[in-house]
Parts: sequence; C-alpha cells; structure tokens
Amino acid sequence: AQSVTQPDIHITVSEGASLELRCNYSYGATPYLFWYVQSPGQGLQLLLKYFSGDTLVQGIKGFEAEFKRSQSSFNLRKPSVHWSDAAEYFCAVGASTDKLIFGTGTRLQVFP
Amino acid sequence: KAGVTQTPRYLIKTRGQQVTLSCSPISGHRSVSWYQQTPGQGLQFLFEYFSETQRNKGNFPGRFSGRQFSNSRSEMNVSTLELGDSALYLCASSFLADSYNEQFFGPGTRLTVL
Repeated sequence: AQSVTQPDIHITVSEGASLELRCNYSYGATPYLFWYVQSPGQGLQLLLKYFSGDTLVQGIKGFEAEFKRSQSSFNLRKPSVHWSDAAEYFCAVGASTDKLIFGTGTRLQVFP
Repeated sequence: KAGVTQTPRYLIKTRGQQVTLSCSPISGHRSVSWYQQTPGQGLQFLFEYFSETQRNKGNFPGRFSGRQFSNSRSEMNVSTLELGDSALYLCASSFLADSYNEQFFGPGTRLTVL
C-alpha cells in the first residue's frame, strides 16, 4: 500500500541553522512527490514538487529537496532557517486513486 | 487571481445534525478535492470531483458526500454528525485531475461537533 512516513514529529532549530526534514515513501510506480507547509490557521502551501528528471528540486522560500530512489526518500532541506519558517511541514505522494497521501507532518520550531 | 475560498470558516454543530461546507475553486480549475485533517489521523483524502463527476473517493463512511456544480464550485455534506467528525476540512483545486497537478488549498473550515 502507498504510504508516507515522516519520522520526526517535532524539530527545534536555532535561527540561522541548517534544516533537514525527513520523508520516506512507499509507492509501487514512479512517485509524484510534494512538500507542503501549513502555518497555524492556514491551508497548505506547496513548497516544491518532484515528478521526474533532476533529483534535486528547488522550491520557494529557499527550500530544496532531493529525491533518492534507492532510499525511497525525499528529504527537505534549507541552509539557513528563518523565524518565519516555523510551521508544520507535510510530505505527500501523488496517487491516482487517493489524490494525495500525506505523511503525519513535522512541526518545526525556530528559536531566535 | 483569487485563491480557493471555503465557507464558513468555523462551524459548531451538535451530534446527529448535518452540515454542508462550500468550496469555490480558483477560476478555471475544474478539479476539486476534499481532505479531512485531525490530530489523530492527520490529513486524509475524502473525495475528488472533476467536471461535476466524482472521480475518486477515500475510505470514509457514506455519511460523507459531496457534489460539484457546473461552475466547479463544490459542496460536501456530512449527515448524522459524530464527535469524531470534528476536524479541519480542507478543499483543494487543480486545473486538471491527474495526481501530478499542483493542488491549491483553501484555508479550511473548522468543524466542531459537540
């Protein structure tokens, strides 16, 4: 069955530090992979997506993600975190029948 | 271009009642999907409509239903509300229905069932 795992429920980093959020997926075919961010009281905003081609994908707000087929991973990274990045981050895989299958999310807290 | 709008933003109902939530997609988008977000289950797909036809349905009981109108606006209905239906209901629209199409999410409707 298709699934997405985000092993880290909560991550705390200092402002200016680097960030990596982990995402592992299980999907039989070539996956369509997404990272979304949700601020409190808001809907989800797309950060970046991977369909095919270059395995390093650039997104908005300085985020990037790398698709590693051998590890079934699609980790999100940012070299220097800003206080405004504090939010919940969701990894998702696009499935033909279930539209988007989401991971359980990682809550990011940023300390000044 | 206006984003996805959902009404109402907040709703309080009691057990046994029914509720209707509304979603207006981005102009030109013909696909509308609904998701339920709860602390315990996370984000779960409810159903998707494209050109007034339900294309996909998630694993939810028949109390959850929806429809789409000719102008692509969509409504979802939950009948005989249960406490466990308390959740944030998110609507997303996309231009086409394929899973690789970027979905644009609305702010959600927060439903509280007492």
